[in-house]
Amino acid sequence: ETGVTQTPRHLVMGMTNKKSLKCEQHLGHNAMYWYKQSAKKPLELMFVYNFKEQTENNSVPSRFSPECPNSSHLFLHLHTLQPEDSALYLCASSQAQDRPSYEQYFGPGTRLTVT
Amino acid sequence: QKEVEQDPGPLSVPEGAIVSLNCTYSNSAFQYFMWYRQYSRKGPELLMYTYSSGNKEDGRFTAQVDKSSKYISLFIRDSQPSDSATYLCAMLAGNQFYFGTGTSLTVIP
Repeated sequence: ETGVTQTPRHLVMGMTNKKSLKCEQHLGHNAMYWYKQSAKKPLELMFVYNFKEQTENNSVPSRFSPECPNSSHLFLHLHTLQPEDSALYLCASSQAQDRPSYEQYFGPGTRLTVT
Repeated sequence: QKEVEQDPGPLSVPEGAIVSLNCTYSNSAFQYFMWYRQYSRKGPELLMYTYSSGNKEDGRFTAQVDKSSKYISLFIRDSQPSDSATYLCAMLAGNQFYFGTGTSLTVIP
């Protein structure tokens, strides 16, 4: 595997379910990001991890819970989601800096549908 | 007012045309200006970045930043069907990263 991979690619879940999204990067980076991409809306940065430490949390509801066990893996745990949370969730990685890097490498995303 | 404004299109051009994609912004603190290309069912990929004002050229692509007008552009020369994608502008100031909504481009053979 090369680059940034995400699983699953598609996920349908009910509002009472608990699920997790997984991201893995094979680029030797040490910063990882979660984004939300909704139709006709700008990409929204949700979380940033530098060297496994969360450095940004852009007012994301607590029903989204990130986890970064090491610099290569990033998870997004989901519970009691709302239909408006349906979107494409993108993971990205970069070299760690004291701020988000402009040179980020994105995974293909997980298409999430909340019913 | 949105931090970054980008016309969503869609934009449709014949092969070989010059394409101009634009974004405007309101935050004068933005220092890094990026263009990403996103193919269908893929994540965005960084095309070009520019620090501060000026032009930057890479093959058929030219990125232009005019900080006095708060306006950035991406020009694609000799457009190809493989350029058909959504183009996202993005800007960075400190820890804040802002994206445009993206412009959908189709290049017709």
